[in-house]
Amino acid sequence: GAVVSQHPSWVICKSGTSVKIECRSLDFQATTMFWYRQFPKQSLMLMATSNEGSKATYEQGVEKDKFLINHASLTLSTLTVTSAHPEDSSFYICSAKLGQAPQPQHFGDGTRLSIL
Amino acid sequence: GENVEQHPSTLSVQEGDSAVIKCTYSDSASNYFPWYKQELGKGPQLIIDIRSNVGEKKDQRIAVTLNKTAKHFSLHITETQPEDSAVYFCAASIGNNRLAFGKGNQVVVIP
Repeated sequence: GAVVSQHPSWVICKSGTSVKIECRSLDFQATTMFWYRQFPKQSLMLMATSNEGSKATYEQGVEKDKFLINHASLTLSTLTVTSAHPEDSSFYICSAKLGQAPQPQHFGDGTRLSIL
Repeated sequence: GENVEQHPSTLSVQEGDSAVIKCTYSDSASNYFPWYKQELGKGPQLIIDIRSNVGEKKDQRIAVTLNKTAKHFSLHITETQPEDSAVYFCAASIGNNRLAFGKGNQVVVIP
């Protein structure tokens, strides 16, 4: 149980393109979903926290107009990187959590984004 | 805020030996501590977790111990196998939702 699917797994696109990444909880309803960014050989950097039907809470330094998050249902959240540039190239990972109390976050397999 | 430190950063062990990774945390209000294993090119996978009302938890070859007074917790892997080679992250809860992650530990099991 607790499977999180992330799509696509790999994107290569030209500078200026907008890219949408989907995160789905397949076998549970996720109260909260999280978006992380990970640089090579580094830890997970939280970008934003989103709850179904409400606006995402962004971490300090993360541009909300650059990284658009939509959490339309209890099983789907999307991250759109708008007008992507080479510095946005990274590994983006989502996670999903059930309930309000401290619970495990279950991670997707990440999206490798490469902007040319 | 919560600060999680993880050490050592790299650990090499002979196949069959035990591996221990230690983490310390700063916020005494943290009450949930998961451990994740991340293989190359994949997302982190939850391998074991522990809550603050428990001192130790075991699942086959993996165990976690928690010392609330000293604010540290450790991951123990016994009888290591090559497939245990990965990056391991510890984390501590911040409030009800968020996790503070350590910097990760590269474990290499030498056949």
